[in-house]
Amino acid sequence: AQSVTQPDIHITVSEGASLELRCNYSYGATPYLFWYVQSPGQGLQLLLKYFSGDTLVQGIKGFEAEFKRSQSSFNLRKPSVHWSDAAEYFCAVALGISGGGADGLTFGKGTHLIIQP
Amino acid sequence: DAGVTQSPTHLIKTRGQHVTLRCSPISGHKSVSWYQQVLGQGPQFIFQYYEKEERGRGNFPDRFSARQFPNYSSELNVNALLLGDSALYLCASSLGGEGTQYFGPGTRLLVL
Repeated sequence: AQSVTQPDIHITVSEGASLELRCNYSYGATPYLFWYVQSPGQGLQLLLKYFSGDTLVQGIKGFEAEFKRSQSSFNLRKPSVHWSDAAEYFCAVALGISGGGADGLTFGKGTHLIIQP
Repeated sequence: DAGVTQSPTHLIKTRGQHVTLRCSPISGHKSVSWYQQVLGQGPQFIFQYYEKEERGRGNFPDRFSARQFPNYSSELNVNALLLGDSALYLCASSLGGEGTQYFGPGTRLLVL
């Protein structure tokens, strides 16, 4: 069965500093990869997705992620964080032609991002 | 355009009761998926419906059921509630059965 690992439960970053959130997946083929963000008490907002093609994908709010097949990783990055980026971040994978197929999305446990002033 | 909407936003039930949660997808989306998010965990897949038929089911007991209506809205039903059913229930919609999923704000269920 496919699985997603987010090794960091909490990360603390100073405002203006760069950010990298790690995500590793376990699956025999290349899955479809997503990053979502969840603010307290809110639903999930899609930041970016990777289906195929260029391994560096750009998302909303200045985020980007890089797919590395050899490392089975899809790490999320941002060059300079803002206090409003404090939230829970989830990496997810899916089977299917364009993601989200009949097995749904498989999520990691999330990384809680804390921004220090 | 309106996003995915869910009702109610919060709900308190007691053990053994039944609950119905509702979801309206983004206009034009024909697929709805349901997820359960327990506090401190990532969401877990419960069901996917496409064109009113169940296309996928996660590892949840038969107490959980769902359906999709002709207007593509959906209901999630949970019978014989347990304390462990307390969670945020998220609905997501997508254009087709396979596609990027967009999430609603969720319904927070507390079982006492």
